[in-house]
Amino acid sequence: DGGITQSPKYLFRKEGQNVTLSCEQNLNHDAMYWYRQDPGQGLRLIYYSQIVNDFQKGDIAEGYSVSREKKESFPLTVTSAQKNPTAFYLCASSIDPGSGADTQYFGPGTRLTVL
Amino acid sequence: AQRVTQPEKLLSVFKGAPVELKCNYSYSGSPELFWYVQYSRQRLQLLLRHISRESIKGFTADLNKGETSFHLKKPFAQEEDSAMYYCAPFSGGYNKLIFGAGTRLAVHP
Repeated sequence: DGGITQSPKYLFRKEGQNVTLSCEQNLNHDAMYWYRQDPGQGLRLIYYSQIVNDFQKGDIAEGYSVSREKKESFPLTVTSAQKNPTAFYLCASSIDPGSGADTQYFGPGTRLTVL
Repeated sequence: AQRVTQPEKLLSVFKGAPVELKCNYSYSGSPELFWYVQYSRQRLQLLLRHISRESIKGFTADLNKGETSFHLKKPFAQEEDSAMYYCAPFSGGYNKLIFGAGTRLAVHP
């Protein structure tokens, strides 16, 4: 497995707090993605980045922020503005930034629970 | 709007039975199509993609442009096929994968 890691595996936060989820990859992939997975809804794209220092909003970016200062790292911050943050978050990466039709490789995920 | 539909949340079969997981999409043009799978306690991973025309673990998927479907099939299900399966067309216009809600396949002995 290896290749793409996410930490922590489980995360708890109180309402009103920001929290940052880590995603690291050593696959030398240019593109990275953040998805949210909710029961019965599949995966929804939050943000993606095709190259360092650049990223684009996905379908549900409100209440989230990202940065891409290094090729290997794409952290996701869940802000207090996110209305329903409790979910399973998946990070992914792919080789070719110009084509999302490339295979995406997924991390193990982080389960965030807001108390 | 571009949409992916996996009509069955759960598909339950016995070992050795044929399996068909349905996927319908509403897209313009000819999207690239993928099936991803998530086995228990494992990561989501690519199962197969249409452009490769390959069979992985006995699974095949046929694109029917007329019906805009990309159903996943296997003639004889095995217990180890039990997993969550996601259909995911790639939207060239939006440059992203669109995931369906997923179908859980349960294969019973």
